[in-house]
Amino acid sequence: GQNIDQPTEMTATEGAIVQINCTYQTSGFNGLFWYQQHAGEAPTFLSYNVLDGLEEKGRFSSFLSRSKGYSYLLLKELQMKDSASYLCAPRPIESQGNLIFGKGTKLSVKP
Amino acid sequence: GAVVSQHPSWVICKSGTSVKIECRSLDFQATTMFWYRQFPKQSLMLMATSNEGSKATYEQGVEKDKFLINHASLTLSTLTVTSAHPEDSSFYICSADGQGYNEQFFGPGTRLTVL
Repeated sequence: GQNIDQPTEMTATEGAIVQINCTYQTSGFNGLFWYQQHAGEAPTFLSYNVLDGLEEKGRFSSFLSRSKGYSYLLLKELQMKDSASYLCAPRPIESQGNLIFGKGTKLSVKP
Repeated sequence: GAVVSQHPSWVICKSGTSVKIECRSLDFQATTMFWYRQFPKQSLMLMATSNEGSKATYEQGVEKDKFLINHASLTLSTLTVTSAHPEDSSFYICSADGQGYNEQFFGPGTRLTVL
């Protein structure tokens, strides 16, 4: 089965750095995705990790440790528009390609 | 990048009527499309996996006779909510898995309100 654990809410200050952690349990694994979702909108793709290590993409970086079942999303130079929910989504190997979503972490960026 | 569209973006209907939602991949062929549903402050829940030219695979607890899925071409999948009731009011989102891509592309979603 799958079990995804993320903090429910986080608050950070504009210009700061925030790290959103995700632990997961899947019976098999075929990559992990991070998505951003603003209220009332569909998710937008942020990053994809399939191998261990850090993937950097502008202000966003994502890290994966397959052996530990752990990932994090790092957001630098926070902006007000980064206030959104961040969804950690592993892709189980036994799936047909669908993603498994947790409840996400609601990030509030304050001035 | 790859684009997925959904139509309509929102719909209000009376209880007992049927509503069809279209999901299109605009610039790539999608062999597989997924239909998710999201209630307020909840996570996205997979409803069904739609494969072109074959029957959809429904998740446990999702009524296949109520949520009809048709994936007639490599660029179009439709979800029909039959005899909709107020408890079906939700945000329905489709996504597409294009060949050779390492991400799933989401449509903008359809907000359904059943009165």
